[in-house]
Amino acid sequence: DGGITQSPKYLFRKEGQNVTLSCEQNLNHDAMYWYRQDPGQGLRLIYYSQIVNDFQKGDIAEGYSVSREKKESFPLTVTSAQKNPTAFYLCASSIARYNEQFFGPGTRLTVL
Amino acid sequence: AQSVTQLDSQVPVFEEAPVELRCNYSSSVSVYLFWYVQYPNQGLQLLLKYLSGSTLVKGINGFEAEFNKSQTSFHLRKPSVHISDTAEYFCAVMGTSYGKLTFGQGTILTVHP
Repeated sequence: DGGITQSPKYLFRKEGQNVTLSCEQNLNHDAMYWYRQDPGQGLRLIYYSQIVNDFQKGDIAEGYSVSREKKESFPLTVTSAQKNPTAFYLCASSIARYNEQFFGPGTRLTVL
Repeated sequence: AQSVTQLDSQVPVFEEAPVELRCNYSSSVSVYLFWYVQYPNQGLQLLLKYLSGSTLVKGINGFEAEFNKSQTSFHLRKPSVHISDTAEYFCAVMGTSYGKLTFGQGTILTVHP
């Protein structure tokens, strides 16, 4: 089955630690995205990538970093510089930038 | 710039009743419009989309939406809801020149027996 996988489903982190969230897709999509979801705020774009080895900042990139070394993978690192990292993180992909986006199941990050 | 406003944060309704979830948007360019559904602790699933053509769009699970350009709205409707429709619904807009998807704040639909 084609789709988007995110791991882990739940993640706990101590303050001051970096943590990396995994996102893999086998849909052969060129574009991939990371969103952050907080209650009552909808989804906000963190980073996106249209092709391998290229990515752009979204609306709330501070304290986050990404890489796109392979077409199917787009990991997100939440650094210690992110002041309020506790949230639900969603990865998405699309055939290209102007097409509908398909979402993964999400990772819930909690900072202790 | 573009923005989306979902006019109701919560909508309670009884089973088999009709429902409308309201969405207004603003954009300086032409838009594509989407409705997504999210069940608890899951990702988003596309319900329907408007790209061009007929302003009445039919989606999955019996939902439909109507694009009204003059009122800049894209309201979601279902004539008879089920308990299983309980979820959070997100309206989203993409400017055809920008390629960026902007989401509304979400509407929690709760269907009571």
